[in-house]
Amino acid sequence: AQTVTQSQPEMSVQEAETVTLSCTYDTSENNYYLFWYKQPPSRQMILVIRQEAYKQQNATENRFSVNFQKAAKSFSLKISDSQLGDTAMYFCAFMKHEGAQKLVFGQGTRLTINP
Amino acid sequence: DVKVTQSSRYLVKRTGEKVFLECVQDMDHENMFWYRQDPGLGLRLIYFSYDVKMKEKGDIPEGYSVSREKKERFSLILESASTNQTSMYLCASSDRGLNSGANVLTFGAGSRLTVL
Repeated sequence: AQTVTQSQPEMSVQEAETVTLSCTYDTSENNYYLFWYKQPPSRQMILVIRQEAYKQQNATENRFSVNFQKAAKSFSLKISDSQLGDTAMYFCAFMKHEGAQKLVFGQGTRLTINP
Repeated sequence: DVKVTQSSRYLVKRTGEKVFLECVQDMDHENMFWYRQDPGLGLRLIYFSYDVKMKEKGDIPEGYSVSREKKERFSLILESASTNQTSMYLCASSDRGLNSGANVLTFGAGSRLTVL
């Protein structure tokens, strides 16, 4: 079975700073997807970024980028120039490439951006 | 935009009551999911469905059942609610196709259930 671990329950940074959220996972699969989802306070979960394991290039979406280390089974999220609207719960998640599209989630990291 | 709508944002029920949580999606997605979210545990999969009338157990199906009579609607049922089922319930859907949006889950806003 796959497991996903987020070791930072809470983080707090000042607006405009850069912050990195950590995620490690365990799997025997060779091909899979990794995701970061964001859940703002009292709002629905939305996709931040997606990485396909067979792609060596790290995914980027504007201010959000990942550091995907397949051998180390690590998938961290970097948020550059953080904004107040980035305050949210962030979840790292794993999905097998084949079969049912079930997401396995980490425990979540509560990120607060301070003015 | 894909929309996943959960019928109730907040519910308060008594122990032993039967509870229905409804979820509707409007983008013709084949896959639908019910997750439970608890602090420190993240989201855990209760049940999922990959087609009408098809369902599979997730990681924590005990105490729950589901129904999918129409493609757009996926219901979660608590036959006899218990206090340990107090939680946030999230519904999601995804496209099974080969397009670029496939395998990305779209979530509803959540239903916060309190069982007294």
